[in-house]
Amino acid sequence: DTEVTQTPKHLVMGMTNKKSLKCEQHMGHRAMYWYKQKAKKPPELMFVYSYEKLSINESVPSRFSPECPNSSLLNLHLHALQPEDSALYLCASSHRLAGASGELFFGEGSRLTVL
Amino acid sequence: AQTVTQSQPEMSVQEAETVTLSCTYDTSESNYYLFWYKQPPSRQMILVIRQEAYKQQNATENRFSVNFQKAAKSFSLKISDSQLGDTAMYFCAFMKPGGLNDMRFGAGTRLTVKP
Repeated sequence: DTEVTQTPKHLVMGMTNKKSLKCEQHMGHRAMYWYKQKAKKPPELMFVYSYEKLSINESVPSRFSPECPNSSLLNLHLHALQPEDSALYLCASSHRLAGASGELFFGEGSRLTVL
Repeated sequence: AQTVTQSQPEMSVQEAETVTLSCTYDTSESNYYLFWYKQPPSRQMILVIRQEAYKQQNATENRFSVNFQKAAKSFSLKISDSQLGDTAMYFCAFMKPGGLNDMRFGAGTRLTVKP
């Protein structure tokens, strides 16, 4: 069973819509991540939150807006997306302690289709 | 910047046979983590095995083992007694410890286990 839960599993939206992807973990991890994965490609890092603060933004367009309301939740707000933004969006979490193994725990992903 | 290279886009193996997936990486760091992740068609990324660069002993997890050659910057994954459930995309990944835990992935190898 996954310990990182993502909702919704599937999302179809128009280019003028506003929607959000949600991610939740209860493992006490203090680092959370959004990755974008296109078909047959590796995950590409979008954002990293460390202790609820945005630590890394990999030059992601502003139509993607991350939010970390608390240590267990991570949201990705979507607005005015383009068809090329259609992809699998993966959330992950990890320990943020010195000496931690660095392993990322992934959710099942949200499959986004932009029409 | 660290780069991870997987030179085998696709591989196949007969059930019960052994297969080795290759991975090379480039870094100037002396300490780091290396990972193999599996992504089956159900899409959730699952950690297969982890290696810490300062440990000389190769990591082993049941049927999965690695050949870590630090000087050559090589990190191959050996799957013994292949099973149908091993069919998946396999990603090699690199992470520096103590930083923001931004994990970087190779392009992936699609492994098919044939009955």
